[in-house]
Order: sequence, then C-alpha cells, then structure tokens
Amino acid sequence: DAGITQSPRHKVTETGTPVTLRCHQTENHRYMYWYRQDPGHGLRLIHYSYGVKDTDKGEVSDGYSVSRSKTEDFLLTLESATSSQTSVYFCAISPRGDYEQYFGPGTRLTVT
Amino acid sequence: AQSVTQLGSHVSVSEGALVLLRCNYSSSVPPYLFWYVQYPNQGLQLLLKYTSAATLVKGINGFEAEFKKSETSFHLTKPSAHMSDAAEYFCAVSGRDGYQFYFGTGTSLTVIP
Repeated sequence: DAGITQSPRHKVTETGTPVTLRCHQTENHRYMYWYRQDPGHGLRLIHYSYGVKDTDKGEVSDGYSVSRSKTEDFLLTLESATSSQTSVYFCAISPRGDYEQYFGPGTRLTVT
Repeated sequence: AQSVTQLGSHVSVSEGALVLLRCNYSSSVPPYLFWYVQYPNQGLQLLLKYTSAATLVKGINGFEAEFKKSETSFHLTKPSAHMSDAAEYFCAVSGRDGYQFYFGTGTSLTVIP
C-alpha cells in the first residue's frame, strides 16, 4: 500500500469554524490531490498540487484553501465550515499528473 | 476536456454470474483509463489501468476491461462474481494534456448469494 495517511480520520465541527485536514505521504510523489466524496456525485476534485508551493483549483474549490510547504504534506483548510461541506475527504498522490493515483483512507467530516 | 459516464448506479448479480460494469468516456486526446474499487469505509484501490498498450487489460481479483476506441468504452468484467466483490466501482479518465483525473459517479455492485 502507498504510504498515505490522513488526519484526523473523523471530525465533528460547528458551522463557521475553520478546519484543517492533513495529508501526509512517504512516497515522495510530486502530485497530491484533495477530493470530496458525496452520494450521487462520485469524487470531485477540490484542489491539487504539482509541487511544493504549486497548487491549483479543481471543480469544487470554493470555500477551501490548500498549502504545500513540504513534498510530503498537503493541507486542506475549510476557512469557515458550512453544513454543505459535510463529506468524506480523500487525499491522493501520484508520481505523474496523468498516471494512476493512490488514495488515503479518508476523513469523515461532519459540520453541525 | 475529459469526462466519464457510468451507466447504472446500482448493479445486482448472483454469485457465480458474469459481472459487467459499464463506462464510457469522452476525451479530446487518447486517454488513460482506470477502474477503482472502494470497499465500505475505505479509500479507493486501483483495479486496473489502460495506458495505450494492450486493449484488453487484466487487473486484480479476476477483473478485466477492454478499451474500445470506436465505442469510447472501457467496460469492466469478471466471469464469475464472488460475495467479496460487493463494493463501489469507479471509472476514471485522465488526459495526457492535463494533470487531473475525472471520475464517474460510481456503480454499487451487490452480489446475491
């Protein structure tokens, strides 16, 4: 299994609070991704990174920001959590942008 | 731009029967195509991938898929379903002109004993 961990694995937070999710890899892969998974929508890309300090938006980036200061860590921040951001969040890594992605175990976030 | 359509959000098969999960793609360039499986409360695991070599691709757990350019399809099959195959299956496409994957909405496979 690819060395990807996500923390926390579960979180309950209140509307309006900031939340940061962490993705950590030990594979030294260049590309890292954040997705959210919701019933009926499959996986939707939030943000991705193609190198340290190099990030770009995905299709559902509103309300989210990311940072990557080290190759191994990719942080996802919900600036002010809303109930619509209740979801399961997956991190993925890839050695090449068009190559297969390897997924972490996911973080279940509930915004009350 | 790339996109993926998975026909049938839920598929039920009897144990021992053929599994056929459908995936059609849209891509402006020759794509890379992937099938992933997700078991309950877990992340996605790669089943198989097509990267322009053989059009018939074999994956793990007895699954295979055939790339058909004329039909823009990449359907997933398994000759004989096992109970352990019950899971959610996702088709995905990546374009060689970009860095993003595009996932289908998934097909939930139920295996009936």
